[in-house]
Amino acid sequence: QVQLVQSGAEVKKPGSSVKVSCKASGGTFSSYAISWVRQAPGQGLEWMGRIIPILGIANYAQKFQGRVTITADKSTSTAYMELSSLRSEDTAVYYCARASLYDSSAYYMDVWGKGTTVTVSS
Amino acid sequence: DIVMTQTPLSLSVTPGQPASISCKSSQSLLHSDGKTYLYWYLQKPGQSPQLLIYEVSNRFSGVPDRFSGSGSGTDFTLKISRVEAEDVGVYYCMQSIQLPLYTFGQGTKLEIK
Repeated sequence: QVQLVQSGAEVKKPGSSVKVSCKASGGTFSSYAISWVRQAPGQGLEWMGRIIPILGIANYAQKFQGRVTITADKSTSTAYMELSSLRSEDTAVYYCARASLYDSSAYYMDVWGKGTTVTVSS
Repeated sequence: DIVMTQTPLSLSVTPGQPASISCKSSQSLLHSDGKTYLYWYLQKPGQSPQLLIYEVSNRFSGVPDRFSGSGSGTDFTLKISRVEAEDVGVYYCMQSIQLPLYTFGQGTKLEIK
């Protein structure tokens, strides 16, 4: 069964960066795109960007352009999301989620990680 | 960017009664390939989102048949025929016609009376 295992909680200072990992197990990493979605406390879901690991191509939501970098390591089936210039509003749970690269399954995320809590506080 | 607007933002339902959530998009979600890229997710308390419905009206694997989706173009509805206690959580609609960009609705919180 496919699982996305995320790294542990982080506490960061304002102005610093955080890098969260998402390791896929039980499936073919190269057949999927990995998205990152965040959820601030008591708020809704916000898509940040995604990467197609087999191509190394990443796309980002305009809101996060220039501040987020999504990468992937095919050799370890791991995707990464790095967010820089952190501010208190970036305090959130960050989820990775998988979407197939093929046919209409490419249009939705069917497997999600359990989330990584990032707290930004001085 | 496409804006997704859900109503209501919260609802309280007696077990066994129906529930309905509306989702409206600022642009048509009908793709030139004939498919409509509208999805419904449920986020149960303390859990990650889980897919319920894909392409407007198709139940995802393992989703009970009390959940149904309908709609077209810009107006969509998720219905639960008989709400059960396990259905509590926040329901989100999501569009992906502008893949790779995804947009979620604000969410609708369902609680049990």
